[in-house]
Amino acid sequence: KAGVTQTPRYLIKTRGQQVTLSCSPISGHRSVSWYQQTPGQGLQFLFEYFSETQRNKGNFPGRFSGRQFSNSRSEMNVSTLELGDSALYLCASSLGASGANVLTFGAGSRLTVL
Amino acid sequence: AQSVTQLDSHVSVSEGTPVLLRCNYSSSYSPSLFWYVQHPNKGLQLLLKYTSAATLVKGINGFEAEFKKSETSFHLTKPSAHMSDAAEYFCVVSDSGYGNKLVFGAGTILRVKS
Repeated sequence: KAGVTQTPRYLIKTRGQQVTLSCSPISGHRSVSWYQQTPGQGLQFLFEYFSETQRNKGNFPGRFSGRQFSNSRSEMNVSTLELGDSALYLCASSLGASGANVLTFGAGSRLTVL
Repeated sequence: AQSVTQLDSHVSVSEGTPVLLRCNYSSSYSPSLFWYVQHPNKGLQLLLKYTSAATLVKGINGFEAEFKKSETSFHLTKPSAHMSDAAEYFCVVSDSGYGNKLVFGAGTILRVKS
């Protein structure tokens, strides 16, 4: 059974550019969540999607956006990149969205902004 | 609002000795609590979860945690540390009213000495 797949694994961008990260959940999982991990702020919740609808959103500026497709795959986009956006972006999937569900995490996409 | 406090940023133990990683939480609802582990340059792996069943929860690799509502604690223990346990450990809380929005503690880095 394939796990959560995130692409690309590593990428380097410059300030002002935009980036799109992709996440393929475990087959059958309908909830996809995104988290940002930085040394200074730790792990922070970005947003959660369930059946193509955004259910929750963290405290991030509007430059951070996401979407979920009908096959449950999800993408997140960061526009007008800033140096502080350098981070490991983790995607997680689960069967449902009750809060008691176990989230399975991908290996992450490491973004470096120069 | 939910919050998690991991009381130690670093813990160092000798191989074969017990491990104790401390976690206190705050939650307005009936919480689900998790411990995740992250090895260097890897994603997050679930160790165990508590969801209002037995207060003593057993996880993978010999880890267990005890939920103590009166103390709002969820400490992680292991009787005998192994070198492969060296990693960063995260205590996590999720409230049923917030979907899959996880709130992470700051993490505890476990070092195992030979």
